[in-house]
Amino acid sequence: RKEVEQDPGPFNVPEGATVAFNCTYSNSASQSFFWYRQDCRKEPKLLMSVYSSGNEDGRFTAQLNRASQYISLLIRDSKLSDSATYLCVVNGGGFKTIFGAGTRLFVKA
Amino acid sequence: EAQVTQNPRYLITVTGKKLTVTCSQNMNHEYMSWYRQDPGLGLRQIYYSMNVEVTDKGDVPEGYKVSRKEKRNFPLILESPSPNQTSLYFCASSPLALSSYNEQFFGPGTRLTVL
Repeated sequence: RKEVEQDPGPFNVPEGATVAFNCTYSNSASQSFFWYRQDCRKEPKLLMSVYSSGNEDGRFTAQLNRASQYISLLIRDSKLSDSATYLCVVNGGGFKTIFGAGTRLFVKA
Repeated sequence: EAQVTQNPRYLITVTGKKLTVTCSQNMNHEYMSWYRQDPGLGLRQIYYSMNVEVTDKGDVPEGYKVSRKEKRNFPLILESPSPNQTSLYFCASSPLALSSYNEQFFGPGTRLTVL
């Protein structure tokens, strides 16, 4: 079993749609959680951290469920510019970083 | 401008020819890390460093070496490259370790092909 698992997609959605991604992790000792965004062949960039109480940043909402060991990302009112790969990132215990394989999103006009 | 730089950006080499990919950051970050990215596998951590002279293995360290003699530099060394090391490599840095919810800043990537 992979330490961090994501649905690879792709998710094809129309502009204005709401789309949700989930990510599960296996190490219950994980301390910190993130969503990164990666455009084709570019470097990953932080989208948002994921806190225990859940957090929101504009159209993006992240949730953490420690009991079930999953995190989620909700994107509301999708824009064409949201088309990218979304990477779930987990602190793997200590100072290791574990990335999920990513979920591809295509937003169409 | 705050940034992480990597060189070279593209490299084609042959099996067994030693190479070094350089990584440098100008943000005075303690934490630096190397990843490789392969289709369907995502980014996998090769090595990381918590500070000068402190390094540790990630998930896929075999065939790689690193050093951290200065805070700003974290070179990745392939002593005897093999075709299975063909990949896209990213260097990243962070103010502190990831466990402190600090953002990692990534370099632009190095695309390596080993023939």
